[in-house]
Amino acid sequence: AQSVTQLGSHVSVSEGALVLLRCNYSSSVPPYLFWYVQYPNQGLQLLLKYTSAATLVKGINGFEAEFKKSETSFHLTKPSAHMSDAAEYFCAVTALNNAGNNRKLIWGLGTSLAVNP
Amino acid sequence: DTAVSQTPKYLVTQMGNDKSIKCEQNLGHDTMYWYKQDSKKFLKIMFSYNNKELIINETVPNRFSPKSPDKAHLNLHINSLELGDSAVYFCASSQAEVYEQYFGPGTRLTVT
Repeated sequence: AQSVTQLGSHVSVSEGALVLLRCNYSSSVPPYLFWYVQYPNQGLQLLLKYTSAATLVKGINGFEAEFKKSETSFHLTKPSAHMSDAAEYFCAVTALNNAGNNRKLIWGLGTSLAVNP
Repeated sequence: DTAVSQTPKYLVTQMGNDKSIKCEQNLGHDTMYWYKQDSKKFLKIMFSYNNKELIINETVPNRFSPKSPDKAHLNLHINSLELGDSAVYFCASSQAEVYEQYFGPGTRLTVT
C-alpha cells in the first residue's frame, strides 16, 4: 500500500535546539519526496524536495532532509530552531492514483512544531 | 503577483445550499488540483485536471463537481451542502510530471 507516515503529530523544541521531524514512506513507483510547511491560516509552501538527484536536500529557512532508500525515510532537520519555525509540516510522496494511470501526491497527517522560548 | 488565488477566502452558508469556489493560477502550469483539509489538518486530494481534462477523481461525493474552463482556472461547485463539508479547501497547481505543487491561500467553508 502507498503511504506516508509522520511519526509524532506534535513536536516541541526549545529555541536554538535541533529540529527533527520524521517521515517514512511506501510507494509503488520510484518516489519523489517533498516537505511542505503551513503557517497558521495560510496555504502550504514548499520547503524542499527530493527528485532522484542528491540524497541530501537543502531547502528554505535552513531546513534540510536526507533521502534514505534502505530505510524508506525522508526526515526533516534544522540545526537550530527559531520561533518563526512554529508551524504545521507535511511530508508528501508521489504515488500512483487509484486507476494506476497517473501519479499524485499522497500526504502525511502533518506534524505540528512548537518552539519554546 | 499572486501565483495561485482563490475566492472567496471565507464562505459561511446553510445546509442544503449550493456554492462555488474559484481558483486561478498565473504560473503557466498545466495541472491544477483541489484539496480538502479537515479540522485535524488532514489533507486529502479531491480532483486533478491536466489541460482542462480530469485526470484524478478520488472518492468524492458527486455533489462536488469541478470545472476547468481553461488551464489557468479550476472551479469547484458543491451542491446540497452538508455539515461534513465544513473544511478548508485548497487549490494548487503544478507543471505536469514535476509534481511540485503551489498552493492557494485556501477557502474556509463553514456549513451551519
